Amino acid sequence: ETGVTQTPRHLVMGMTNKKSLKCEQHLGHNAMYWYKQSAKKPLELMFVYNFKEQTENNSVPSRFSPECPNSSHLFLHLHTLQPEDSALYLCASSQIGGRAYEQYFGPGTRLTVT
Amino acid sequence: AQTVTQSQPEMSVQEAETVTLSCTYDTSESDYYLFWYKQPPSRQMILVIRQEAYKQQNATENRFSVNFQKAAKSFSLKISDSQLGDAAMYFCAYRSALILHSSGGSNYKLTFGKGTLLTVNP
Repeated sequence: ETGVTQTPRHLVMGMTNKKSLKCEQHLGHNAMYWYKQSAKKPLELMFVYNFKEQTENNSVPSRFSPECPNSSHLFLHLHTLQPEDSALYLCASSQIGGRAYEQYFGPGTRLTVT
Repeated sequence: AQTVTQSQPEMSVQEAETVTLSCTYDTSESDYYLFWYKQPPSRQMILVIRQEAYKQQNATENRFSVNFQKAAKSFSLKISDSQLGDAAMYFCAYRSALILHSSGGSNYKLTFGKGTLLTVNP
């Protein structure tokens, strides 16, 4: 596959479940991002990883736990979520350095917390 | 902190007509990038067009062009000869061009507007 892929595309989980979202980029980029997209709100940046190191955590609750084992893979571990966490979770990647430009996005995981 | 405002939650256009989507932003920086992203119903966010703030010339990509007014902090997107496939949510985004090595890359983050839903009528 090319570009940025995310699995699963849809996920329904109860508040007591533990699940993980996976993102993989095939673009040779060195930075990866997690965004949350809720209805009628701007995309919210959650985490930034640069060369596998987490460089930003935008006050995200600890029930969201990111993991970046290498520069091509990014996970978002979920546990004891709340109904308000239901949203589309987007992964993105980019190249950092020079005048690098845009981020490339995956198709997203539609998460529903029941 | 930078903010991006899209004042039109929804817009509609007739097929083959032209439509303009508005975006304004607030920043104290002089060097930055502006983007328009498109998110069709299939949800894959794709880049439509990019503008570098130091360039006076408006960016153009086929039927898509921007009107970049730096002093007014305005960055509108014009879609000419609209097609059914243009129907999507459009997001305006801002990114600083300032490279802060100490930030670890966080200054590369994008700040998005809330989006404009574009409907194309046949």
